[in-house]
Amino acid sequence: GAVVSQHPSWVICKSGTSVKIECRSLDFQATTMFWYRQFPKQSLMLMATSNEGSKATYEQGVEKDKFLINHASLTLSTLTVTSAHPEDSSFYICSAWRPTSGGDEQFFGPGTRLTVL
Amino acid sequence: GDSVTQMEGPVTLSEEAFLTINCTYTATGYPSLFWYVQYPGEGLQLLLKATKADDKGSNKGFEATYRKETTSFHLEKGSVQVSDSAVYFCALRGTSYGKLTFGQGTILTVHP
Repeated sequence: GAVVSQHPSWVICKSGTSVKIECRSLDFQATTMFWYRQFPKQSLMLMATSNEGSKATYEQGVEKDKFLINHASLTLSTLTVTSAHPEDSSFYICSAWRPTSGGDEQFFGPGTRLTVL
Repeated sequence: GDSVTQMEGPVTLSEEAFLTINCTYTATGYPSLFWYVQYPGEGLQLLLKATKADDKGSNKGFEATYRKETTSFHLEKGSVQVSDSAVYFCALRGTSYGKLTFGQGTILTVHP
């Protein structure tokens, strides 16, 4: 299957700083990218949906000014956690999606572990 | 709204044992159902899927049948291997393409 990478794989930052996480689809052009958040021993929670060249659509309860999403190209989406606080510590996972002749396909990145001190 | 409930883990089995991981869902309409697997340090990978009632998804010896009457999609494998040790997620997709609702994940550990 296709490969989706995330960078960095883990990051530790101080409270109040901003952190950018990149999600790249390495060998296909993703119409849509999704950002999920996973708390320990809990499910993945969808944060937002981003389409190339347009504003992201955020799920209810997700602060769009806190979690800035940019989808600059069909192969790159970025999530910036602004003014991070310890409660933002989590595992962030992206996925890349595209329609196909037989339906659609979706591939997930390996995730980024964010720890805010 | 849509929701998925998986059996609590972790699950620990001996090699060649039978595996069942229960998954039930709540959704409006006719969702598509998925099982994803996450190996350590890797991204989620699609294991199998079913798009309509009574469909059976299968892959790598794993099977799951879409049961609309019981709103379930239980994952089974007749003989697990050590290499099956991973986290397994049940998920559904409703009317919005690509948007998945996940269960909480079940950690499976298989001992030799």
